[in-house]
Amino acid sequence: DAGITQSPRYKITETGRQVTLMCHQTWSHSYMFWYRQDLGHGLRLIYYSAAADITDKGEVPDGYVVSRSKTENFPLTLESATRSQTSVYFCASSERENTEAFFGQGTRLTVV
Amino acid sequence: GQNIDQPTEMTATEGAIVQINCTYQTSGFNGLFWYQQHAGEAPTFLSYNVLDGLEEKGRFSSFLSRSKGYSYLLLKELQMKDSASYLCAGMDSNYQLIWGAGTKLIIKP
Repeated sequence: DAGITQSPRYKITETGRQVTLMCHQTWSHSYMFWYRQDLGHGLRLIYYSAAADITDKGEVPDGYVVSRSKTENFPLTLESATRSQTSVYFCASSERENTEAFFGQGTRLTVV
Repeated sequence: GQNIDQPTEMTATEGAIVQINCTYQTSGFNGLFWYQQHAGEAPTFLSYNVLDGLEEKGRFSSFLSRSKGYSYLLLKELQMKDSASYLCAGMDSNYQLIWGAGTKLIIKP
């Protein structure tokens, strides 16, 4: 399917476990982003990538790891999940740094 | 610091016009975005302004005043499907988006 897809859509995990959220886009967009969205807050940038093998920290990177070995994939790993990481996570991509971003459907993660 | 302010919630009537305001403070400026987000769904792009003035796109228009650090989104002929959150985001000098918390728009028949 064309577009940007995230998996899983829903995930419940225990404190301390490692969990990976997947993101795949079919447009060959250069830029990819990971955001978290919490009630009362705007979207907050966790990490972004300008191209394969280039990643950079956003506003709230602590506790997260990303990689981008291929242009189309941008997985986000929570190394040791904490309850404060319970959130909705959105992956997004854009053709250039100042063009519209296209968002995946989101992953609702609950850490118990 | 960098900040985006927009009202938390607004209510309007079907068929009417509503204006959602946004004020921004960013380190440098590379444009102002508006996104729509229905409950439980992903944000979708509505508009992008980088120059002062009004950009019209069907029932939706967006305005920017860089000197005032101010933007608004104007929705005309409101429909029930316009019930959603509207997210304002300013792009700073590093091309990072600073997001507001969103304005929840409730449309009443």
